[in-house]
Amino acid sequence: GAVVSQHPSWVICKSGTSVKIECRSLDFQATTMFWYRQFPKQSLMLMATSNEGSKATYEQGVEKDKFLINHASLTLSTLTVTSAHPEDSSFYICSAQQGASNQPQHFGDGTRLSIL
Amino acid sequence: GNSVTQMEGPVTLSEEAFLTINCTYTATGYPSLFWYVQYPGEGLQLLLKATKADDKGSNKGFEATYRKETTSFHLEKGSVQVSDSAVYFCALTRGSQGNLIFGKGTKLSVKP
Repeated sequence: GAVVSQHPSWVICKSGTSVKIECRSLDFQATTMFWYRQFPKQSLMLMATSNEGSKATYEQGVEKDKFLINHASLTLSTLTVTSAHPEDSSFYICSAQQGASNQPQHFGDGTRLSIL
Repeated sequence: GNSVTQMEGPVTLSEEAFLTINCTYTATGYPSLFWYVQYPGEGLQLLLKATKADDKGSNKGFEATYRKETTSFHLEKGSVQVSDSAVYFCALTRGSQGNLIFGKGTKLSVKP
């Protein structure tokens, strides 16, 4: 149980395009979803937290207009990297949490984004 | 503020060796503590957790005990296998949203 599916797993695109990444909880309803960014050989950096039907809460230093997050249902959240540039290349990972804040987060397999 | 400190890697062990990965934390209140594992090219998987002092989390032969007096949550396994090679992250929850704060990760390589 507690499976989170992230799609696509790998995307390569040209500079200036927008890229959408989907995160789905397959067998549970996710009260909260989180988006992380991971640089090579480094830890995960929380980008934003979203609750279904509400605006996402962004961490300090994360551009809201650059990284658009939509959490339209209890099983789906999307991250759109708008007008992507090479410096946005990274590994993006989502997680989903069911219920109380002390419950574990279940992670997707991540999306490797490469901007040429 | 809240933070997690892990021992620096990489850690290289022979198969069947004993593993300890140290993790200490600073936090306000009473956080929940977690160990996550990341295999190459994949996302994170929850390995084990503990939600209060003296709790012991265990899974797949790994275990860690929530020590409030030493603010530690060290990961141990008695006999590692090659398949345990991965990056291990210690983490704690923060705030009412349950946001995770991660340590920097420790890469474990197990040689046959």
